Amino acid sequence: NAGVTQTPKFQVLKTGQSMTLQCAQDMNHEYMSWYRQDPGMGLRLIHYSVGAGITDQGEVPNGYNVSRSTTEDFPLRLLSAAPSQTSVYFCASSSKETQYFGPGTRLLVL
Amino acid sequence: SQKIEQNSEALNIQEGKTATLTCNYTNYSPAYLQWYRQDPGRGPVFLLLIRENEKEKRKERLKVTFDTTLKQSLFHITASQPADSATYLCALSLYNDMRFGAGTRLTVKP
Repeated sequence: NAGVTQTPKFQVLKTGQSMTLQCAQDMNHEYMSWYRQDPGMGLRLIHYSVGAGITDQGEVPNGYNVSRSTTEDFPLRLLSAAPSQTSVYFCASSSKETQYFGPGTRLLVL
Repeated sequence: SQKIEQNSEALNIQEGKTATLTCNYTNYSPAYLQWYRQDPGRGPVFLLLIRENEKEKRKERLKVTFDTTLKQSLFHITASQPADSATYLCALSLYNDMRFGAGTRLTVKP
């Protein structure tokens, strides 16, 4: 099993550009989520999904969109990047009460 | 307001000693609490989960306590080793939502 994979590892964007962060898992988990991690603030939940076709907002959803067309994939879209979205993004999938995190995507918005 | 506080940003201890990390929270009623380990440049890795009706959980050299009256969890690493050096995160489970503390960076010196 590859577990949770994320691409790209690192990305630089200009303000106003759009991009999609990819996340995939091969553990057949229903629950998947996206977090951002900023220094001194811990991980904050952006969006989550409890199954294909179902998504919901977390603590900091503004500026981000998600969709869940398959169990395996849960992409995160930034429609118009802002410098405040500079962060490290982690995708996770859950088996009951245990979350498995991907390696993260480091995003820099200039 | 709701808060999760981990005792300090950094904790330095000598090899062989017991490390004790604290997680305090206010205005939450979590169903359970989790502890994760995070190494630099990597995603968090699940360590232990403790439910609201459990007082203590152990796994090898790790021990977690959970006091819902004090709204506090303690995380202990006994016989610490330099390989235990990492950042440790606590997380509260709130239905489909997870809230993380900012983490404590533990350094174990030989």
